[in-house]
Amino acid sequence: DAGVTQSPTHLIKTRGQHVTLRCSPISGHKSVSWYQQVLGQGPQFIFQYYEKEERGRGNFPDRFSARQFPNYSSELNVNALLLGDSALYLCASSYRVGYNEQFFGPGTRLTVL
Amino acid sequence: AQSVTQLDSHVSVSEGTPVLLRCNYSSSYSPSLFWYVQHPNKGLQLLLKYTSAATLVKGINGFEAEFKKSETSFHLTKPSAHMSDAAEYFCVVSDLNSGGSNYKLTFGKGTLLTVNP
Repeated sequence: DAGVTQSPTHLIKTRGQHVTLRCSPISGHKSVSWYQQVLGQGPQFIFQYYEKEERGRGNFPDRFSARQFPNYSSELNVNALLLGDSALYLCASSYRVGYNEQFFGPGTRLTVL
Repeated sequence: AQSVTQLDSHVSVSEGTPVLLRCNYSSSYSPSLFWYVQHPNKGLQLLLKYTSAATLVKGINGFEAEFKKSETSFHLTKPSAHMSDAAEYFCVVSDLNSGGSNYKLTFGKGTLLTVNP
């Protein structure tokens, strides 16, 4: 079975631009979470979605938004990019909210110039 | 609020010697605790998890961790390090909130394990 997939793997943007990152969960998993990992730090929670509804949100500005589609895939959108948004963005899937174990994708490396 | 402190940012061992990566946690509820490993340019892989069953948890690749509530610790150990163990290790806590569901993982800052030949 395929694991969590993310696209693209790498992305370079300039300040002020907008970016969309995509994630496909493991087949049968209905919950998707997004994390930001800045170089040298542990991942930080951004969002969790379950059955297309937002179930949790971390301490990130409104420039960050996400959604989940009927097939349980998800998009993370970031508007008005700042240099500080440069990071590895990780998607994780789990069977459902309340199920502890999350499985991570390889991430999307975003560089903002 | 939940938090995790990894006490060492970098641990260096020789191949064949024991590994100890230290983690303390803070949690308002009954925590679930995890150790994840991240190899360079790879995603995060779950090593092991504690979810209020046995306090000594065995994981993959010979790793294990012991949950000590009195010390609020969840240290990761391995009897004999292998070169392939060199990676970044993250201690992670997840609270069960009053509704019985948890929605986020809180990561420590990571410990870089170096294994010398």
